[in-house]
Amino acid sequence: AQKVTQAQTEISVVEKEDVTLDCVYETRDTTYYLFWYKQPPSGELVFLIRRNSFDEQNEISGRYSWNFQKSTSSFNFTTTASQVMDSAVYFCALSEAGFNKFYFGSGTKLNVKP
Amino acid sequence: SQTIHQWPATLVQPVGSPLSLECTVEGTSNPNLYWYRQAAGRGLQLLFYSVGIGQISSEVPQNLSASRPQDRQFILSSKKLLLSDSGFYLCAWSVSGRVVRDTQYFGPGTRLTVL
Repeated sequence: AQKVTQAQTEISVVEKEDVTLDCVYETRDTTYYLFWYKQPPSGELVFLIRRNSFDEQNEISGRYSWNFQKSTSSFNFTTTASQVMDSAVYFCALSEAGFNKFYFGSGTKLNVKP
Repeated sequence: SQTIHQWPATLVQPVGSPLSLECTVEGTSNPNLYWYRQAAGRGLQLLFYSVGIGQISSEVPQNLSASRPQDRQFILSSKKLLLSDSGFYLCAWSVSGRVVRDTQYFGPGTRLTVL
């Protein structure tokens, strides 16, 4: 079974629209970490955020925000007023207790059109 | 600050040829190191990870191998490449020796095409 599910394969929006990328995870651990990474066309994965399982506060960083809800095992990522430069593949990842092994989702490709 | 390098950036190799990809990390000691592969349009697959010199764990049995000859150097190798080895290879590092699940930081990647 997939530990991290990103059901949206590809999303297309027009500039200035808001868009939410979904991430659903599965774990039996009480201590775990969730991550979001951005992969622009150049290929390098860029770290965006880390969240631990004990901190359910939503995070906002500029136009980006993250909604962590343990009740639904979700860690969604929202971009407000999207820009063309936001176009990339976004990956959600889970790290459980023990060795620092990541479980990545399959990624969501975001296309922001002018 | 820490930086991670990978080379080469791109590589085109014939089937059956050997492979050596290199990853080095600067600005940190005794990092955890990882090799991932990303097939075209797909997610990331963990291939190997290392918690120290000479300590390699394999996640997926295949014709690839990894070595860590120095603290901050991680090498991915193959004796004979297959067509299915084509993909984007990413190296990553994280801080070791901590209970906290640390962030993995990725290198720029190597795009390998096997013909």
